[in-house]
Amino acid sequence: SQQGEEDPQALSIQEGENATMNCSYKTSINNLQWYRQNSGRGLVHLILIRSNEREKHSGRLRVTLDTSKKSSSLLITASRAADTASYFCAEGGGGSNYKLTFGKGTLLTVNP
Amino acid sequence: DAGITQSPRHKVTETGTPVTLRCHQTENHRYMYWYRQDPGHGLRLIHYSYGVKDTDKGEVSDGYSVSRSKTEDFLLTLESATSSQTSVYFCAITRDPYNSPLHFGNGTRLTVT
Repeated sequence: SQQGEEDPQALSIQEGENATMNCSYKTSINNLQWYRQNSGRGLVHLILIRSNEREKHSGRLRVTLDTSKKSSSLLITASRAADTASYFCAEGGGGSNYKLTFGKGTLLTVNP
Repeated sequence: DAGITQSPRHKVTETGTPVTLRCHQTENHRYMYWYRQDPGHGLRLIHYSYGVKDTDKGEVSDGYSVSRSKTEDFLLTLESATSSQTSVYFCAITRDPYNSPLHFGNGTRLTVT
């Protein structure tokens, strides 16, 4: 079964607002990754955060990781219409587990 | 962009026929993955490879087989296609699943009639 689960399933905001998406997972991880997918295209990597990290930034993106709660969040600040896409978290397992399993995603719509 | 090509891009086939999808990379990455994407399910891992001739099952491997006879190619075979295998299939590669991101191909849209 899929491990990571994003919340909410869909989010609609106005341009300029912040968007927060959450991801929960069930087992121990080596890393957690966030991806974006524009309609009909392949996924594009946004941020990778390792299990010993708590926060990472990339431009307008901020990712936090709370391993005690088995959760992560992706914050997009000052959103733009071009941020409209689906966002997925993916768990990277530890040890000899090379699997990367994805959640069902959050569909973000940014209205101009 | 990472050099990863999926073929074909689109395919329509009949129930019961075998189908092979190809993923080709020019990055010499060790790890390769096959996912399927369906509405309401996100991406689900079918099979993955951690080296030539080294493969393992993912979440939804029933009805699928894979082969990796050389680093650059990872083949996904639907042994006897069913309508439930109608989906968009994505290949992804990475040089290190612990420290590096996945790079995705553009997908193959498969329709089984």
